Parts: sequence; C-alpha cells; structure tokens
Amino acid sequence: KAGVTQTPRYLIKTRGQQVTLSCSPISGHRSVSWYQQTPGQGLQFLFEYFSETQRNKGNFPGRFSGRQFSNSRSEMNVSTLELGDSALYLCASSLSWDRAEKLFFGSGTQLSVL
Amino acid sequence: KNQVEQSPQSLIILEGKNCTLQCNYTVSPFSNLRWYKQDTGRGPVSLTIMTFSENTKSNGRYTATLDADTKQSSLHITASQLSDSASYICVVSAGGGNTPLVFGKGTRLSVIA
Repeated sequence: KAGVTQTPRYLIKTRGQQVTLSCSPISGHRSVSWYQQTPGQGLQFLFEYFSETQRNKGNFPGRFSGRQFSNSRSEMNVSTLELGDSALYLCASSLSWDRAEKLFFGSGTQLSVL
Repeated sequence: KNQVEQSPQSLIILEGKNCTLQCNYTVSPFSNLRWYKQDTGRGPVSLTIMTFSENTKSNGRYTATLDADTKQSSLHITASQLSDSASYICVVSAGGGNTPLVFGKGTRLSVIA
C-alpha cells in the first residue's frame, strides 16, 4: 500500500510569489492535515480536511489556504511568499478525523523562499 | 493553554547505551499521547499511541510510559543503534473531537560510535 505522497519534494521561490503544494493520502484515508515545521518552532498545525470540508484551522495568516478534492487529495497554497515561510511542509493522512486514529506523514515539501 | 514540553532538547549517546526522553503536557481533557520518530528530511513515523488507561507500551527497543496523574510521559530507548539518531516528537491529543493535536518541539538524539 503506497504511503502519503507529497509533491514537489523541494521548491525554491522568491518573495512575493505564490506556491501550491500537493498531497495524496493513503488509499482509503479521508482525513488530511497540513503542518509547517521549522527548526525553532517544531511542527505547527495549519489546517485539517475531511471529506472536502475544512474541519480545523491553525493560527496562520490568510495567505495560507488549502482544499481537498473528492478523491481525498489535498493541496495547500501560500500566496505572497515571505522569507519566514521557508520551512518543511508536512501532510498527514488518517482514516477519519477521530483523534484516536493513527496519523501517517508524507516526507514533506522543503520550501525555500529567497 | 494546551502545551507539550520535551526534554532534553538534544542528547548525544554512545552506541549500545540506553536513554530516556521526557515529555510533560498540560493538555486537557486528555485523549491520547503519541511518540513519533523523525529522521532528517523525512516525515515523522509513529512509534506508539497511548490512551489514558495505558501505563506502558513497547515497540521493539522503544518503551513509552505514561503517568496521566502527573501528566508525564517518557520514551526509553534500549541498546541504542546508529539508526536511532533522529528527532523524537511527543504529541498529545485533547478530547473533544475537533481539537488539533498539540506537538512538542522534539528531542534531537544523536547516537555515535
């Protein structure tokens, strides 16, 4: 069974640009969540989707947005990139939004903003 | 405020030695606590998930303990190997269904020969 797939693996952008990251969950998983990871802050929750509906959103500015498609694949978008957006963006999937469910993470997209 | 604190921030041990990582949390109400291992440049991988009623859970050379009364957990690694070099992240889930997971900042473990 294929794991969580995130594309692209690496991305270099300049300030002011926008970026779209993609996440394909494990087959059968309907919940997808996104996290930003930086060396100083650890993992920080961005948002969570279940069956195309956003169930929860973290404390990030409106420049960060996401969506989930009917096949459970998810995308997140960051507009007007800032230097501080440089981070590893991780996606995780689970069968449902039940907090007892195990999370499976992808390898992440390493975003560098110059 | 829901928080998870991990200690130490980093640790260096010799191959073959044991070590213990600590996690203290103030998340309420408590649902479960998870330990993840994250290799450099990779996503976290689940080691254990413990609920309120579980005191100890093992996964090979990894043993997690949970004291729900003192809100403390530890991850004990036995007979460490070079491949254990990674960040170990403690994650606590609050009850209530819609509450995001609360992540610790992790302990960076380096195992040297």
